[in-house]
Amino acid sequence: DQQVKQNSPSLSVQEGRISILNCDYTNSMFDYFLWYKKYPAEGPTFLISISSIKDKNEDGRFTVFLNKSAKHLSLHIVPSQPGDSAVYFCAASAGGGADGLTFGKGTHLIIQP
Amino acid sequence: DSGVTQTPKHLITATGQRVTLRCSPRSGDLSVYWYQQSLDQGLQFLIQYYNGEERAKGNILERFSAQQFPDLHSELNLSSLELGDSALYFCASSAIRGYTEAFFGQGTRLTVV
Repeated sequence: DQQVKQNSPSLSVQEGRISILNCDYTNSMFDYFLWYKKYPAEGPTFLISISSIKDKNEDGRFTVFLNKSAKHLSLHIVPSQPGDSAVYFCAASAGGGADGLTFGKGTHLIIQP
Repeated sequence: DSGVTQTPKHLITATGQRVTLRCSPRSGDLSVYWYQQSLDQGLQFLIQYYNGEERAKGNILERFSAQQFPDLHSELNLSSLELGDSALYFCASSAIRGYTEAFFGQGTRLTVV
């Protein structure tokens, strides 16, 4: 049973436009959510996180929105740049922190020039 | 550079063999996590150590084991290898201070032939 789902295996967005990556979860005990970015042949790199006491967190071009009632979070990238082309993983944990992160399968974001 | 070092980067071995993957966490991080990423799969949590003691177990096979040493580096031992064990194995570390992210190494690509 997949507790964190990223239903879009890939997403293509034009440079300069907004990229929206979606993530759904089923475990109501999750209270901390993270997005990681991964380039080929590299390890995942932390991008942004949000705790369940918030519904929005911003960091530069990246904003994460959390809708607890829908058990849904999304990552917005504005404006999208060529260097944003990568695989994005959504992850969640229960009890806070990085313990036992449950990851989605990832969404491959392709930024078209 | 995340500060997490994994060796070796690549490993090719035959079925039935045993291998050891090594991880040095970021300076000061007490917690080490091991993840497996198979083809087209998200990262699967295997096991976590905190300051030398096992803290959490995920989907780790009985043929696999890990330990964390007094200098905080960790080793993941994989034995009786099967073709299906071919995957990327990532190590991550974190400093448990409440809501905090895990920092990943570049991974070890294991190929079992």
